[in-house]
Amino acid sequence: DTAVSQTPKYLVTQMGNDKSIKCEQNLGHDTMYWYKQDSKKFLKIMFSYNNKELIINETVPNRFSPKSPDKAHLNLHINSLELGDSAVYFCASSQAWDNEQFFGPGTRLTVL
Amino acid sequence: AQSVTQLGSHVSVSEGALVLLRCNYSSSVPPYLFWYVQYPNQGLQLLLKYTSAATLVKGINGFEAEFKKSETSFHLTKPSAHMSDAAEYFCAVSGGDSGYSTLTFGKGTMLLVSP
Repeated sequence: DTAVSQTPKYLVTQMGNDKSIKCEQNLGHDTMYWYKQDSKKFLKIMFSYNNKELIINETVPNRFSPKSPDKAHLNLHINSLELGDSAVYFCASSQAWDNEQFFGPGTRLTVL
Repeated sequence: AQSVTQLGSHVSVSEGALVLLRCNYSSSVPPYLFWYVQYPNQGLQLLLKYTSAATLVKGINGFEAEFKKSETSFHLTKPSAHMSDAAEYFCAVSGGDSGYSTLTFGKGTMLLVSP
């Protein structure tokens, strides 16, 4: 009965490759997010989707592309991976903008 | 743009001592404020939130925080630290000046608890 799940938990890949991270929430929430946590633990919003529509797109390279096939899923595709993309990526969801955001367990991406 | 400042990247306390983690925000409009905890290799878990109701907010695991508009602060406290409280703590803000449905996080404070 996991609320927000992400796959894979760990992802190790070579520079230049393309990879995807999947996120699913079973909470019935309308809004989903992607955050990046760097090596210094700093968390920054990347994208936010509300009812499958992109509502926030922070300054993120266009190599990163979110895709929301339905309200319960928000996947993150990354093209031409670079060393600097190594980080932990968290998916989250919420029912309304002032409510608690529920976070997934994170995906640790390592680019070699 | 609104921001969150957490004073001290590391705070060390002895088991049983008072825990005080500091958070200040900048926003001309009172925002919504949150404290999250992150245990090693895990996601973030909400401890408590302030959404313009009572200024003293009680959360899980014995934590509480007080919203002080005059000081633009939302410090997190716990009367008696437990070894299991050792983790990274993040203060976050949403709403306020930005109007966005997103969270702006502070840089985090690592709480270390010694026996």
